[in-house]
Amino acid sequence: AQSVTQLDSHVSVSEGTPVLLRCNYSSSYSPSLFWYVQHPNKGLQLLLKYTSAATLVKGINGFEAEFKKSETSFHLTKPSAHMSDAAEYFCVVSDWLTGGGNKLTFGTGTQLKVEL
Amino acid sequence: GAVVSQHPSWVICKSGTSVKIECRSLDFQATTMFWYRQFPKQSLMLMATSNEGSKATYEQGVEKDKFLINHASLTLSTLTVTSAHPEDSSFYICSARDTAGDYTDTQYFGPGTRLTVL
Repeated sequence: AQSVTQLDSHVSVSEGTPVLLRCNYSSSYSPSLFWYVQHPNKGLQLLLKYTSAATLVKGINGFEAEFKKSETSFHLTKPSAHMSDAAEYFCVVSDWLTGGGNKLTFGTGTQLKVEL
Repeated sequence: GAVVSQHPSWVICKSGTSVKIECRSLDFQATTMFWYRQFPKQSLMLMATSNEGSKATYEQGVEKDKFLINHASLTLSTLTVTSAHPEDSSFYICSARDTAGDYTDTQYFGPGTRLTVL
């Protein structure tokens, strides 16, 4: 069974400083991994996706994530935080189902707070 | 591209009434759509998988007679909460999978519908 662990429920950074949101996963096969962002009372927006083509994945808004198989990690980073980055971030793993289709498993989320 | 809309964005209803929520893929066809429920400050919980032209597949513990799902076309799925009660109050989010696109296991999410049952 697949699972996702987001190691921090809350992260607080100052504007202009780096962001690190940590995620570890467990999957039986080579999974697809995603990071989504959710602003208050909004749906989820796809930030980036890992598909095994490259271990370092660049996403929107300056975010990137590195897939490390040996550590089963997929941490999300950004060199310089902006106030507009304050939101909830979800790490997600996707596994294909035997009968077809895929299923997403969500982490519990990390609330990012950006301070002046 | 890959835009998913939901309607309404919020709804308040009386206990015992039924509420229908629409989920539309605006610029792609989605043979598979998903319905999630999210409680305050919690992650998303998958309720059911909706396949165009066939019955939905419900997750364990989700009452199929209470949460009716219809996926009548490649761009529209509906969730009807029947005989709603206050405990059904939640944020409902749909997603759609672009089966013709490059990322066939990527789900694109709607903006969500806030349901409040009085």
